[in-house]
Amino acid sequence: AQKVTQAQTEISVVEKEDVTLDCVYETRDTTYYLFWYKQPPSGELVFLIRRNSFDEQNEISGRYSWNFQKSTSSFNFTITASQVVDSAVYFCALSEANYGGSQGNLIFGKGTKLSVKP
Amino acid sequence: DGGITQSPKYLFRKEGQNVTLSCEQNLNHDAMYWYRQDPGQGLRLIYYSQIVNDFQKGDIAEGYSVSREKKESFPLTVTSAQKNPTAFYLCASSIGAGVAYEQYFGPGTRLTVT
Repeated sequence: AQKVTQAQTEISVVEKEDVTLDCVYETRDTTYYLFWYKQPPSGELVFLIRRNSFDEQNEISGRYSWNFQKSTSSFNFTITASQVVDSAVYFCALSEANYGGSQGNLIFGKGTKLSVKP
Repeated sequence: DGGITQSPKYLFRKEGQNVTLSCEQNLNHDAMYWYRQDPGQGLRLIYYSQIVNDFQKGDIAEGYSVSREKKESFPLTVTSAQKNPTAFYLCASSIGAGVAYEQYFGPGTRLTVT
């Protein structure tokens, strides 16, 4: 069963629009971490945020914000006033305490490709 | 500058040949990882190493081999036994091997086998 689901394969918006990228996860662990990474066209993944399972506070960093809701097993990412430079593939990932006997291994969703048009 | 380097960025090989992808980090990280990415897919874990001279298979280790003789280096060999080797390969590292640590990624190597 897929543990991290990013149902939106591609999203296209016009610059300055707000956009939300969805992430739904599945785990039996009580201790886990969630991550978001950005992959620009150059290919290198860039770490954006880490959130642990005990901290449901929303986080804001500039135009980026994240909404973590354990009740719905979701960790959504919103970009406010999108810019062309935000165009990239965004990955949500889960790290479980007891995944395959190996802590720390990331389980990635398939990614959402965001295109921001001028 | 601290970071992860992967070389080369593009690599072309003939079918049946083994090829080794380089990954070096100067972040003093203990753990290192190799992922494979196919078009429209997420990243899949090939191998990981939590400490020097130790490594473990990930989800798709068949047809691949690694070594970890130095803390800074974690080369990946794609052998002729790998049925579909053409892909984008990403190396990553983290401070330690644990659920809380974020991973930092290199720029990747795009391997094409014909």
